[in-house]
Amino acid sequence: QSALTQPASVSGSPGQSITISCTGTSSDVGANNYVSWYQQHPGKVPKLMIYDVNYRPSGVSDRFSGSKSGNTASLTISGLQAEDEADYYCSSFTSSSSWVFGGGTKLTVL
Amino acid sequence: QVQLVQSGAEMKKPGASVKVSCKTSGYTFASYGFTWVRQAPGQGLEWMGWINIDSGHTIYVQSLQDRVIMTTDTSTNTAYMELRSLRSDDTAVYYCARDLLPHHGTPPPMIYWGQGTLVTVSS
Repeated sequence: QSALTQPASVSGSPGQSITISCTGTSSDVGANNYVSWYQQHPGKVPKLMIYDVNYRPSGVSDRFSGSKSGNTASLTISGLQAEDEADYYCSSFTSSSSWVFGGGTKLTVL
Repeated sequence: QVQLVQSGAEMKKPGASVKVSCKTSGYTFASYGFTWVRQAPGQGLEWMGWINIDSGHTIYVQSLQDRVIMTTDTSTNTAYMELRSLRSDDTAVYYCARDLLPHHGTPPPMIYWGQGTLVTVSS
Protein backbone atom coordinates (compact mmCIF):
# COMPACT_ATOMS: atom_id res chain seq x y z
CA GLN A 1 0.00 0.00 0.00
CA SER A 2 1.60 3.27 -1.13
CA ALA A 3 1.51 6.33 1.08
CA LEU A 4 -1.10 8.96 0.36
CA THR A 5 0.18 12.11 -1.35
CA GLN A 6 0.28 15.36 0.59
CA PRO A 7 2.10 18.63 -0.16
CA ALA A 8 5.37 18.81 1.75
CA SER A 9 4.57 22.24 3.12
CA VAL A 10 1.92 24.92 3.27
CA SER A 11 1.93 28.31 4.92
CA GLY A 12 -0.45 31.05 5.88
CA SER A 13 -0.71 34.19 7.95
CA PRO A 14 -2.60 34.43 11.23
CA GLY A 15 -6.32 34.73 10.61
CA GLN A 16 -6.17 33.26 7.14
CA SER A 17 -7.48 29.88 6.01
CA ILE A 18 -5.38 27.11 4.52
CA THR A 19 -6.22 23.78 2.94
CA ILE A 20 -4.07 20.64 2.89
CA SER A 21 -4.83 18.06 0.23
CA CYS A 22 -4.44 14.30 0.51
CA THR A 23 -4.60 12.25 -2.67
CA GLY A 24 -5.03 8.52 -2.73
CA THR A 25 -6.63 5.94 -4.97
CA SER A 26 -9.88 4.09 -5.45
CA SER A 27 -8.53 1.48 -3.01
CA ASP A 28 -8.26 3.88 -0.10
CA VAL A 29 -9.52 7.49 -0.06
CA GLY A 30 -11.96 6.87 -2.89
CA ALA A 31 -13.22 3.58 -1.44
CA ASN A 32 -14.94 4.81 1.73
CA ASN A 33 -15.56 7.74 4.06
CA TYR A 34 -12.90 6.75 6.58
CA VAL A 35 -10.34 9.52 6.29
CA SER A 36 -8.66 10.90 9.40
CA TRP A 37 -6.28 13.78 10.03
CA TYR A 38 -3.64 13.95 12.76
CA GLN A 39 -1.69 16.94 14.06
CA GLN A 40 1.82 16.48 15.40
CA HIS A 41 3.85 19.21 17.02
CA PRO A 42 7.65 18.72 17.03
CA GLY A 43 8.66 16.10 19.55
CA LYS A 44 5.06 15.45 20.52
CA VAL A 45 2.55 12.66 20.10
CA PRO A 46 0.09 12.76 17.17
CA LYS A 47 -3.40 14.08 17.93
CA LEU A 48 -6.57 13.08 16.11
CA MET A 49 -8.19 16.20 14.62
CA ILE A 50 -10.70 14.83 12.12
CA TYR A 51 -12.18 11.37 11.54
CA ASP A 52 -14.68 9.89 9.08
CA VAL A 53 -13.81 12.72 6.64
CA ASN A 54 -15.43 15.57 8.56
CA TYR A 55 -16.08 14.68 12.22
CA ARG A 56 -14.18 16.31 15.07
CA PRO A 57 -13.39 14.52 18.33
CA SER A 58 -14.48 16.27 21.48
CA GLY A 59 -12.23 19.21 22.29
CA VAL A 60 -10.99 19.88 18.78
CA SER A 61 -11.62 23.43 17.59
CA ASP A 62 -14.30 23.97 14.95
CA ARG A 63 -11.69 25.90 12.98
CA PHE A 64 -10.66 22.48 11.69
CA SER A 65 -12.83 20.87 9.04
CA GLY A 66 -12.51 18.08 6.51
CA SER A 67 -13.95 17.17 3.16
CA LYS A 68 -13.50 14.64 0.37
CA SER A 69 -14.09 14.46 -3.34
CA GLY A 70 -13.28 11.30 -5.23
CA ASN A 71 -9.78 10.14 -4.38
CA THR A 72 -8.77 13.41 -2.70
CA ALA A 73 -9.46 14.48 0.87
CA SER A 74 -8.79 17.91 2.31
CA LEU A 75 -8.21 19.49 5.69
CA THR A 76 -9.10 23.16 6.08
CA ILE A 77 -7.95 25.28 8.98
CA SER A 78 -9.69 28.63 9.28
CA GLY A 79 -8.62 31.58 11.38
CA LEU A 80 -5.02 30.37 11.50
CA GLN A 81 -3.29 30.70 14.86
CA ALA A 82 0.35 30.38 15.81
CA GLU A 83 -0.42 27.19 17.75
CA ASP A 84 -1.61 25.53 14.54
CA GLU A 85 1.98 25.36 13.28
CA ALA A 86 2.69 21.63 13.17
CA ASP A 87 2.90 18.62 10.89
CA TYR A 88 -0.38 17.25 9.60
CA TYR A 89 -0.93 13.68 8.43
CA CYS A 90 -3.92 12.31 6.59
CA SER A 91 -4.82 8.67 6.92
CA SER A 92 -7.27 6.48 5.06
CA PHE A 93 -8.81 3.07 5.64
CA THR A 94 -8.05 0.79 2.72
CA SER A 95 -9.66 -2.08 0.86
CA SER A 96 -7.16 -4.34 2.68
CA SER A 97 -8.74 -3.41 6.04
CA SER A 98 -5.59 -1.54 7.02
CA TRP A 99 -4.79 2.15 7.26
CA VAL A 100 -2.30 4.13 5.26
CA PHE A 101 -0.84 7.51 6.14
CA GLY A 102 0.13 10.40 3.93
CA GLY A 103 3.70 11.63 3.90
CA GLY A 104 2.84 14.61 6.08
CA THR A 105 2.55 18.35 5.52
CA LYS A 106 4.46 20.95 7.47
CA LEU A 107 2.26 23.95 8.23
CA THR A 108 4.06 27.22 8.85
CA VAL A 109 2.20 30.17 10.31
CA LEU A 110 3.95 33.25 9.00
CA GLN B 1 -8.34 9.99 32.58
CA VAL B 2 -7.20 7.62 29.86
CA GLN B 3 -3.47 6.92 29.97
CA LEU B 4 -1.21 4.78 27.82
CA VAL B 5 2.30 4.41 29.23
CA GLN B 6 4.89 2.68 27.09
CA SER B 7 8.08 0.92 28.06
CA GLY B 8 11.43 2.63 27.84
CA ALA B 9 13.90 3.10 25.01
CA GLU B 10 15.63 0.03 23.62
CA MET B 11 18.89 -0.50 21.79
CA LYS B 12 19.16 -3.69 19.78
CA LYS B 13 21.55 -5.35 17.36
CA PRO B 14 20.48 -6.37 13.86
CA GLY B 15 18.72 -9.71 13.89
CA ALA B 16 17.47 -9.36 17.46
CA SER B 17 13.88 -8.93 18.64
CA VAL B 18 12.21 -6.18 20.65
CA LYS B 19 8.98 -6.23 22.64
CA VAL B 20 7.36 -2.91 23.50
CA SER B 21 4.65 -2.70 26.14
CA CYS B 22 1.79 -0.24 26.49
CA LYS B 23 0.17 -0.22 29.92
CA THR B 24 -3.25 1.42 30.08
CA SER B 25 -5.53 2.90 32.72
CA GLY B 26 -8.61 5.05 33.03
CA TYR B 27 -11.04 3.06 30.91
CA THR B 28 -12.40 -0.46 30.35
CA PHE B 29 -9.47 -2.25 28.72
CA ALA B 30 -11.60 -5.02 27.26
CA SER B 31 -13.62 -2.61 25.14
CA TYR B 32 -11.03 -1.07 22.83
CA GLY B 33 -8.44 -2.42 20.43
CA PHE B 34 -4.99 -1.05 19.70
CA THR B 35 -3.06 0.20 16.73
CA TRP B 36 0.73 0.41 16.55
CA VAL B 37 2.33 3.20 14.54
CA ARG B 38 6.02 3.92 14.04
CA GLN B 39 7.96 6.98 12.99
CA ALA B 40 11.55 6.82 11.77
CA PRO B 41 13.76 9.79 12.70
CA GLY B 42 12.65 12.86 10.75
CA GLN B 43 10.12 10.83 8.79
CA GLY B 44 6.36 10.41 8.65
CA LEU B 45 3.98 8.04 10.38
CA GLU B 46 3.71 4.39 9.35
CA TRP B 47 0.70 2.26 10.30
CA MET B 48 1.99 -1.11 11.48
CA GLY B 49 -1.09 -3.02 12.48
CA TRP B 50 -4.09 -3.44 14.79
CA ILE B 51 -5.38 -5.93 17.31
CA ASN B 52 -9.06 -6.51 17.98
CA ILE B 53 -9.61 -6.56 21.72
CA ASP B 54 -12.57 -8.96 21.55
CA SER B 55 -11.18 -11.73 19.35
CA GLY B 56 -7.45 -11.09 19.40
CA HIS B 57 -7.65 -10.93 15.61
CA THR B 58 -4.79 -8.97 14.13
CA ILE B 59 -4.28 -7.06 10.90
CA TYR B 60 -0.68 -6.26 9.98
CA VAL B 61 0.74 -4.11 7.24
CA GLN B 62 1.98 -6.39 4.50
CA SER B 63 5.59 -5.21 4.74
CA LEU B 64 5.84 -6.33 8.39
CA GLN B 65 3.46 -9.26 8.67
CA ASP B 66 6.24 -11.86 8.76
CA ARG B 67 8.07 -10.12 11.62
CA VAL B 68 5.50 -8.46 13.90
CA ILE B 69 3.26 -9.88 16.61
CA MET B 70 0.69 -7.83 18.50
CA THR B 71 -0.92 -9.13 21.68
CA THR B 72 -2.88 -7.94 24.70
CA ASP B 73 -3.01 -9.06 28.32
CA THR B 74 -6.35 -8.33 29.98
CA SER B 75 -5.00 -9.28 33.41
CA THR B 76 -2.60 -6.34 33.36
CA ASN B 77 -4.43 -4.01 30.91
CA THR B 78 -1.36 -4.03 28.70
CA ALA B 79 -0.82 -4.23 24.95
CA TYR B 80 2.39 -5.54 23.43
CA MET B 81 4.15 -5.28 20.08
CA GLU B 82 7.03 -7.60 19.26
CA LEU B 83 9.18 -7.05 16.19
CA ARG B 84 11.64 -9.75 15.18
CA SER B 85 14.68 -9.92 12.90
CA LEU B 86 15.39 -6.26 13.46
CA ARG B 87 17.15 -4.24 10.78
CA SER B 88 18.69 -0.79 10.87
CA ASP B 89 15.68 0.67 9.07
CA ASP B 90 13.47 -0.44 11.97
CA THR B 91 15.03 2.36 14.01
CA ALA B 92 12.04 4.49 14.95
CA VAL B 93 9.75 5.73 17.67
CA TYR B 94 7.01 3.17 18.17
CA TYR B 95 3.59 4.34 19.36
CA CYS B 96 0.64 2.41 20.71
CA ALA B 97 -2.74 4.05 20.21
CA ARG B 98 -6.21 3.14 21.45
CA ASP B 99 -9.23 2.80 19.22
CA LEU B 100 -11.64 5.71 18.99
CA LEU B 101 -14.60 3.32 18.97
CA PRO B 102 -15.33 0.33 21.24
CA HIS B 103 -15.75 -3.26 20.09
CA HIS B 104 -14.95 -2.41 16.49
CA GLY B 105 -14.58 -5.22 13.99
CA THR B 106 -12.13 -3.32 11.82
CA PRO B 107 -9.45 -0.80 12.78
CA PRO B 108 -11.00 2.58 13.64
CA PRO B 109 -9.08 5.86 14.02
CA MET B 110 -6.79 6.27 17.02
CA ILE B 111 -7.75 8.69 19.78
CA TYR B 112 -5.35 8.12 22.69
CA TRP B 113 -1.64 7.63 22.16
CA GLY B 114 1.23 6.41 24.28
CA GLN B 115 4.27 8.61 24.69
CA GLY B 116 6.33 6.59 22.21
CA THR B 117 9.25 4.20 22.60
CA LEU B 118 12.49 4.78 20.73
CA VAL B 119 13.95 1.57 19.34
CA THR B 120 17.44 1.91 17.94
CA VAL B 121 18.89 -0.89 15.83
CA SER B 122 22.63 -0.69 15.39
CA SER B 123 25.60 -3.02 15.36
